[in-house]
Amino acid sequence: QKEVEQDPGPLSVPEGAIVSLNCTYSNSAFQYFMWYRQYSRKGPELLMYTYSSGNKEDGRFTAQVDKSSKYISLFIRDSQPSDSATYLCAMIKPRGNSGNTPLVFGKGTRLSVIA
Amino acid sequence: KAGVTQTPRYLIKTRGQQVTLSCSPISGHRSVSWYQQTPGQGLQFLFEYFSETQRNKGNFPGRFSGRQFSNSRSEMNVSTLELGDSALYLCASSGTGDSFFLNTEAFFGQGTRLTVV
Repeated sequence: QKEVEQDPGPLSVPEGAIVSLNCTYSNSAFQYFMWYRQYSRKGPELLMYTYSSGNKEDGRFTAQVDKSSKYISLFIRDSQPSDSATYLCAMIKPRGNSGNTPLVFGKGTRLSVIA
Repeated sequence: KAGVTQTPRYLIKTRGQQVTLSCSPISGHRSVSWYQQTPGQGLQFLFEYFSETQRNKGNFPGRFSGRQFSNSRSEMNVSTLELGDSALYLCASSGTGDSFFLNTEAFFGQGTRLTVV
């Protein structure tokens, strides 16, 4: 079983829809959670990060973490064609004075928002 | 503020050759990490350098190596290339200091697309 599981999609939604992207993880040592967006032929771009259970909002994006269920989500409200990209979840285990462990990524979900 | 710069953007190499990829991190960032991205495996961690020292290493064969210079620029080298090494190689920089939160904001470059034929 991979440490981080993410449905690869593809996911296709009409413009204006609410999009829900999800990841599950198996290791409770993960404490920091990120969402990256990757456009075709580009590097991943950090969208949001959080380290506590609950919700964090940034404009049309909401990141949700449920540590008890080992489940994280990214919601996109009023989705736009420009949101069409691959969304990657990533997480880190803190390691004290030696810094954090490397990012562990889900495989990414490909999203298409149709105008 | 300039982002992470990776060169070259595209490379085509023959099986058995070696290749060197370069990464210039964001000014002031001291940590540089390398990742390999393939359709089958997704993003996988190769190694991380901090202040010219390898701090973390992923589960890749010894053909993959790297180094970091005093100006934080980093190179990775792959020797004896195999067809399976074809991938997008991504560099990420993070951290402006030796902080516990060093890797929570990692900024990626555009990547180097390596094709081995």
